[in-house]
Amino acid sequence: GDSVTQMEGPVTLSEEAFLTINCTYTATGYPSLFWYVQYPGEGLQLLLKATKADDKGSNKGFEATYRKETTSFHLEKGSVQVSDSAVYFCALKIADKLIFGTGTRLQVFP
Amino acid sequence: GAVVSQHPSWVICKSGTSVKIECRSLDFQATTMFWYRQFPKQSLMLMATSNEGSKATYEQGVEKDKFLINHASLTLSTLTVTSAHPEDSSFYICSATGTSGGRSYNEQFFGPGTRLTVL
Repeated sequence: GDSVTQMEGPVTLSEEAFLTINCTYTATGYPSLFWYVQYPGEGLQLLLKATKADDKGSNKGFEATYRKETTSFHLEKGSVQVSDSAVYFCALKIADKLIFGTGTRLQVFP
Repeated sequence: GAVVSQHPSWVICKSGTSVKIECRSLDFQATTMFWYRQFPKQSLMLMATSNEGSKATYEQGVEKDKFLINHASLTLSTLTVTSAHPEDSSFYICSATGTSGGRSYNEQFFGPGTRLTVL
């Protein structure tokens, strides 16, 4: 069935470090791909998305490219900040349903 | 942007009692609402989808008689966990899509979640 696999956390980085959170997916059709972020005490917020192969989603310095050949949608940021500390969820949408990965906690220290 | 709230944010109840969780869209009309359940260190699992004024569509394996979903208005959906047991303890999250002033919100907007603990 359709599924999303993302790297386990926590990911611990110093401020200004480079971030990569890996995400791969399995889908029978042509899904849209998403990254959501959940800050402490808040609901999930859409961070970025891509709807077709080779699309790049970007927002707040984060970016991810829809790679159909490797079925991946890795999240990257060149220089993280303490305020980026949160849980990040990779997800795919197919037939109007969202399927989530298990989430990756990012901790950024000054 | 579109805001979704949930109430309560946490609840503790005794085994055998029923608990109601509310999900509200604050600044848009939520034509469709989704209920998810999240176990520790696991992903969000979709429980059911409800359209305003219609019966909810439950995912496979979700007991509709145990998890009663009502979506009677365009701003409110409720999830009632009936005869709760300790295994029902979990984090319950709702989301919604809809419209406001002619603008469509096709991406899901999520509430902050409700932590249920059944003793």
